[in-house]
Amino acid sequence: GAVVSQHPSWVICKSGTSVKIECRSLDFQATTMFWYRQFPKQSLMLMATSNEGSKATYEQGVEKDKFLINHASLTLSTLTVTSAHPEDSSFYICSARDEGGAGNEQFFGPGTRLTVL
Amino acid sequence: DAKTTQPTSMDCAEGRAANLPCNHSTISGNEYVYWYRQIHSQGPQYIIHGLKNNETNEMASLIITEDRKSSTLILPHATLRDTAVYYCIVRVATGIYNQGGKLIFGQGTELSVKP
Repeated sequence: GAVVSQHPSWVICKSGTSVKIECRSLDFQATTMFWYRQFPKQSLMLMATSNEGSKATYEQGVEKDKFLINHASLTLSTLTVTSAHPEDSSFYICSARDEGGAGNEQFFGPGTRLTVL
Repeated sequence: DAKTTQPTSMDCAEGRAANLPCNHSTISGNEYVYWYRQIHSQGPQYIIHGLKNNETNEMASLIITEDRKSSTLILPHATLRDTAVYYCIVRVATGIYNQGGKLIFGQGTELSVKP
C-alpha cells in the first residue's frame, strides 16, 4: 500500500509553546488529508479534514485557532498545536487519501506522540 | 455515516482462523464496509473493503451478508502479529472517482492471538 510518514514521531514540549507536526504522502499525491487524535485506551477521533489549497474543515468541538492546519502541497499537510497545555498530550495521527488508487483507500501515518509538560 | 457494533474483545489460537463480526444494520445502499486494524502505538492499517460482494486479498476475507446488515472479517491463519484492535467502518462513496466520506472510528474489537 501507499506510504504516509509523520515527523516527528514523538515530541516533548513545555506548556505554552507551539508544536508543528508534518504529514507527508511519500509515493502518491493527496488532495485530502485527515488529522486524528487518540487518547490512551480510546479510539481515534477525527479532528479535521485538510484540503490542499483551501481551508481545513474542523469537526465539531475542535478549536481551529488552537489546531492550525496547513495543506500547502499535494504531499504535505502540517498540524500546529498552538500554546500547548498538558491536556493536549495525545497521539496525533494523520491519513491521506490515495485518489489515484482503485479503491480510494485512506492510508495512515505512524503517529506522533505529543507530551506537554 | 452508519454506526457499527463490534464485540469489545476476542481471543484466537495461533494458526486458527479469526472471525471478527460487525453489525451495521443501518447501512445505506451507497455505503461501503471498511476494515482497518491498529497495532499498539502505531497508525491504523488498511485491511480490506467491500460493498456487497465477498472480497478476499492477501491479508483477509470479507464476508457481507445478503441484506448487508452485518459482515465478518476472516483472518484465515492468525499469527501473534495479528494481535491488534480491529475497526469496522462504514463509509459513503461519493463522486465519480469513489472519493468517499470521512472514516469515523468506533471502539473496535481487541483481538488477542494466543500461542
